[in-house]
Amino acid sequence: RKEVEQDPGPFNVPEGATVAFNCTYSNSASQSFFWYRQDCRKEPKLLMSVYSSGNEDGRFTAQLNRASQYISLLIRDSKLSDSATYLCVVNIPRGGYQKVTFGTGTKLQVIP
Amino acid sequence: DAGVIQSPRHEVTEMGQEVTLRCKPISGHDYLFWYRQTMMRGLELLIYFNNNVPIDDSGMPEDRFSAKMPNASFSTLKIQPSEPRDSAVYFCASSPLAGVVEQYFGPGTRLTVT
Repeated sequence: RKEVEQDPGPFNVPEGATVAFNCTYSNSASQSFFWYRQDCRKEPKLLMSVYSSGNEDGRFTAQLNRASQYISLLIRDSKLSDSATYLCVVNIPRGGYQKVTFGTGTKLQVIP
Repeated sequence: DAGVIQSPRHEVTEMGQEVTLRCKPISGHDYLFWYRQTMMRGLELLIYFNNNVPIDDSGMPEDRFSAKMPNASFSTLKIQPSEPRDSAVYFCASSPLAGVVEQYFGPGTRLTVT
């Protein structure tokens, strides 16, 4: 089983729709979690951190479910500009350091 | 702030040649990461440094790959000899802390080995 797994998509949604992605992780000791966004042929950029109690940033909501070992990203009122690949990141403890592990990403296409 | 700088942006080379990728992290960031991204395998961490010292190189695919960080402002990733399966986008990223805060990525080097 992969340490971090995402549905690759693509998710094709109309403008204004709400869409949600999940990301599962295998190591229950994982401590910190993030969502990154990557536009085509560009570098990844941080979208938001994921806090234990859940957090919101405008139209974006991130949640953590430790019991089921997944994080989620919800996008409300989708815009054309939200079209991108969304990568989850899980930091897995390895002895005295953390191993940064990216999911393979979920592609979102928002359609006019 | 100039951000993370990588060079070259594109590299096309023939199988068997040596390839050197370069990275300048953001000033003041103590952590530097090298990643490789392909369609099949996604974004893979190859190695990361803390204060110029390699911490985790478990992602380095094989002995043909080596990375160095001679000082806080410069790192190299070398592939010798290169093979077609090394074709990928190689990203460098830096961070003030590992694992708990944002990583800032460079624009990447697109490597094609023919």
